[in-house]
Amino acid sequence: NAGVTQTPKFRVLKTGQSMTLLCAQDMNHEYMYWYRQDPGMGLRLIHYSVGEGTTAKGEVPDGYNVSRLKKQNFLLGLESAAPSQTSVYFCASSGTSGRTQYFGPGTRLTVL
Amino acid sequence: SQQGEEDPQALSIQEGENATMNCSYKTSINNLQWYRQNSGRGLVHLILIRSNEREKHSGRLRVTLDTSKKSSSLLITASRAADTASYFCATDFNNAGNMLTFGGGTRLMVKP
Repeated sequence: NAGVTQTPKFRVLKTGQSMTLLCAQDMNHEYMYWYRQDPGMGLRLIHYSVGEGTTAKGEVPDGYNVSRLKKQNFLLGLESAAPSQTSVYFCASSGTSGRTQYFGPGTRLTVL
Repeated sequence: SQQGEEDPQALSIQEGENATMNCSYKTSINNLQWYRQNSGRGLVHLILIRSNEREKHSGRLRVTLDTSKKSSSLLITASRAADTASYFCATDFNNAGNMLTFGGGTRLMVKP
């Protein structure tokens, strides 16, 4: 089992460019989450999904969109990147709400 | 705002000593979890304690929960250099739906 994987691991964008981060899990989990982590801080929830075809906003959703077309994949999109979106992005999944979350290794994004 | 707040923000100890980290939260919870994050990596789940539990052990880890004080502590006994990491508490609070809320973390350094 690979657990939770994220693609890419690193990315540098220019302001205004777009990109999509891919998260994949092979644990058949219903719940998936996207967080961002800024230096010296904890995680803040961007969007989450409680099942295939569903998405919901988290604490800091502005500037991001998500899609969950397949149960095992959760995509995070930035339509027009801004320097304030420079961060490390983590995807996580869980079998049930509020229970143990399994994290991917992260994507380090820099927006110039 | 973050539901859980860890204290201290940073802790430096010698190998073999015990490390204690505290987490305070604001509203009623279903459970509280502790996660570890090694530098540049994703979070790894350590332990979950339910709101009706007062203490839980896992190897060298001991977690306590005081719901009357809305606080939890994580004790790592006989620390090792490999315990050097950031530790986060995460709360599953009653009106959060499907979300965990993470604190800002305690950065632990264990000196050999």
